[in-house]
Amino acid sequence: EVQLVETGGGLVQPGGSLRLSCAASEFTVSRNYMSWVRQAPGKGLEWVTVIYSAGRTYYADSVKGRFTISRDNSKNTLYLQMNSLRAEDTAMYYCARGKSGAAPWDIWGQGTMVTVSS
Amino acid sequence: EIVMTQSPATLSVSPGERATLSCRASQSVSSNLAWYQQKPGQAPRLLIYDASTRDTGIPARFSGSGSGTEFTLTISSLQSEDFAVYYCQQYDNWPPGTFGQGTKLEI
Repeated sequence: EVQLVETGGGLVQPGGSLRLSCAASEFTVSRNYMSWVRQAPGKGLEWVTVIYSAGRTYYADSVKGRFTISRDNSKNTLYLQMNSLRAEDTAMYYCARGKSGAAPWDIWGQGTMVTVSS
Repeated sequence: EIVMTQSPATLSVSPGERATLSCRASQSVSSNLAWYQQKPGQAPRLLIYDASTRDTGIPARFSGSGSGTEFTLTISSLQSEDFAVYYCQQYDNWPPGTFGQGTKLEI
């Protein structure tokens, strides 16, 4: 079954760091455009970052300079390194596959919750 | 950045009835528009892309229309499992692929 499974969420203090992982099954991460999308509690969807199949990356202004997207081809896994975390980064984080380009996204993980609080 | 505006915020409809959800872009996005469905506690699900193409496995009662700045998602005969939040997303001006704020479809 084609699927994505995120792990790594949790409670972290403001200013702290966290790394999320997204393991893919039945398709190759490196051959697709992969994004992270987040959703604050009770709020709408917000695109965070994308990595293209060729390796180019883009970030939302709200996370630029603090978050880094990467992938490990040998593990078929996508990552999101989050540094200098703020309360406003509290959200459910989803990884998602671009259907035929960067968007829209046809495969989503179940999400992993990140809470930034002291 | 392109701003996407959905209306109404909440739509109350009875099972078996037709639902029409709207999405407006602040500037033309051509046909680069998608619709997602999200149920409580679940990830979003892609319903429609390129404004009017149903994704794999999406029932025919879901249809999308529009181009430029005005778009519509129509659910022809509501089933109980269709009550959810619906988001539109433009991907013409990328990145970012901006979302609307969502329409909650309730019974």
